[in-house]
Amino acid sequence: KAGVTQTPRYLIKTRGQQVTLSCSPISGHRSVSWYQQTPGQGLQFLFEYFSETQRNKGNFPGRFSGRQFSNSRSEMNVSTLELGDSALYLCASSLRQGAGAFFGQGTRLTVV
Amino acid sequence: GESVGLHLPTLSVQEGDNSIINCAYSNSASDYFIWYKQESGKGPQFIIDIRSNMDKRQGQRVTVLLNKTVKHLSLQIAATQPGDSAVYFCAEIGTLNSGYSTLTFGKGTMLLVSP
Repeated sequence: KAGVTQTPRYLIKTRGQQVTLSCSPISGHRSVSWYQQTPGQGLQFLFEYFSETQRNKGNFPGRFSGRQFSNSRSEMNVSTLELGDSALYLCASSLRQGAGAFFGQGTRLTVV
Repeated sequence: GESVGLHLPTLSVQEGDNSIINCAYSNSASDYFIWYKQESGKGPQFIIDIRSNMDKRQGQRVTVLLNKTVKHLSLQIAATQPGDSAVYFCAEIGTLNSGYSTLTFGKGTMLLVSP
């Protein structure tokens, strides 16, 4: 069974641009969560989707958004990028909401 | 916010020693706990989990202990190997006022294993 797949693995963007990251969960998993990981703040929760609906949202500005498709694949979007958005963005999938989560390798975003 | 990287608590052990990594959690209503291992450049890897109705759970070379009285979780790694070198995170799953559950991560501990 394939694990959680995130694309792209690495990305370099310029301040002010927008970016879309993609996540394909483990087959059969319906819950997808997104996290931002930085050296200064650790792992911070962005949002969680279950059955195409956002269930939880972390304390991030509205520039961060996401969505989930009917096949459970998810995308997150960051608009008007800032230097501080440079981070490893991790996607995790779980069988159901509140179950143990399995992570992808992450997308390393660098904003210059 | 909590820090990892340069400010991460570090545990240094010799190969073959047993390692104990500790974690304090915050939500007394959390009913499910997970330990993750994160190697450099990779996403966190699920190691072992435990439900709040248990005190101890064993896996292959790993044991998780849960003390609900003091809201403390520990991960014991037997016969630590250089490949165990990584950052270890504990995570708790608790239910928010919204009724939905969320996974909250601890600070992380860096384990360094010397040959």
